[in-house]
Amino acid sequence: SQELEQSPQSLIVQEGKNLTINCTSSKTLYGLYWYKQKYGEGLIFLMMLQKGGEEKSHEKITAKLDEKKQQSSLHITASQPSHAGIYLCGADTGSWDNDMRFGAGTRLTVKP
Amino acid sequence: SAVISQKPSRDICQRGTSLTIQCQVDSQVTMMFWYRQQPGQSLTLIATANQGSEATYESGFVIDKFPISRPNLTFSTLTVSNMSPEDSSIYLCSVRSGNQPQHFGDGTRLSIL
Repeated sequence: SQELEQSPQSLIVQEGKNLTINCTSSKTLYGLYWYKQKYGEGLIFLMMLQKGGEEKSHEKITAKLDEKKQQSSLHITASQPSHAGIYLCGADTGSWDNDMRFGAGTRLTVKP
Repeated sequence: SAVISQKPSRDICQRGTSLTIQCQVDSQVTMMFWYRQQPGQSLTLIATANQGSEATYESGFVIDKFPISRPNLTFSTLTVSNMSPEDSSIYLCSVRSGNQPQHFGDGTRLSIL
């Protein structure tokens, strides 16, 4: 089965600093999704990447899918306390019901 | 994107009892899923809720423990039966149509005493 490894597991940054979170798959990615979760709450969809080399941005968050489609990165520029939370990558499994598998998550803390 | 309402948002239950979690969507969706997120861990798929038929369970999850209903394209329930402390988790409903991203409810935080 497909495994998604996220790194780092946790990250503490000073407000205003840039940061990158990585998601590596054991298999080719056909759809890669980034979500943010605040403690104890549901997941908020951030971005979807499907094509090798694709890059998307929303406000200060940029996500990329590498050409070989086995790794994605999420980059936050000039981090703010509102960026704090758990970031999870998810990938399509290619199964009949179109379900997804998720990485273990990266817990981000932004110090004011 | 679909608006998903999940109830209850949290509950504290006694060992041996059962709890039913509801998931209501404001539009018809193709797929509905139920996930479990144990403390400090990522999401684990429990089952796919199939409209008008029995849910499809992932390895390690059985219908007797987690009965699921999906009477129509906008509503599903998950019951956690005969609860034990190991069932303390966040339970999440998600929906998906076609190749659109999955969208999630706010989750149900369940604690068993």
